[in-house]
Amino acid sequence: EAGVVQSPRYKIIEKKQPVAFWCNPISGHNTLYWYLQNLGQGPELLIRYENEEAVDDSQLPKDRFSAERLKGVDSTLKIQPAELGDSAVYLCASSLSSTYEQYFGPGTRLTVT
Amino acid sequence: SQQGEEDPQALSIQEGENATMNCSYKTSINNLQWYRQNSGRGLVHLILIRSNEREKHSGRLRVTLDTSKKSSSLLITASRAADTASYFCATVDRDDKIIFGKGTRLHILP
Repeated sequence: EAGVVQSPRYKIIEKKQPVAFWCNPISGHNTLYWYLQNLGQGPELLIRYENEEAVDDSQLPKDRFSAERLKGVDSTLKIQPAELGDSAVYLCASSLSSTYEQYFGPGTRLTVT
Repeated sequence: SQQGEEDPQALSIQEGENATMNCSYKTSINNLQWYRQNSGRGLVHLILIRSNEREKHSGRLRVTLDTSKKSSSLLITASRAADTASYFCATVDRDDKIIFGKGTRLHILP
């Protein structure tokens, strides 16, 4: 069974530029999560989807971040414009439902210069 | 905001010894999960324990949950070099909101 796929693995951009991350969850997993992880810290939830519905986006900085999960499968997270403080690893995870264990992708390491 | 607080923040033990790390949280939970993250790699799920359970085992791992004290512990027995990693607890509350702690960095000495 294929795991959670994320791309790109690494991204370097200049501040004020846009950037997008893509995630393909495990087949059949209804719940999809996007996290931000800073060095030495635990993951911080940005948004949680149940199928195509964003059920928890309370921690998503909506002035610059957006996300979508069309057809309840793949998801894209976008930042526009990026700021220096957005440098971090962006993790995608999926699970059968929100009360089950999560499976994480390898993450995208974003560096904003 | 982070609900789970792992303790200690860092732990170094000799190979073969047991390692215990703790997690405390603040609100009522549906379940509590433990994850491992090796340096520079993704998180891997270890054990999920539900609020009506008190103890679960998986191989060399034992997790306990005390809902009255709002705390959980992860015990790794007979540690190996490959156990060197960061360990995170994550709580899922009644609204299915998940929050990760800051982690315990475990280092197994040869």
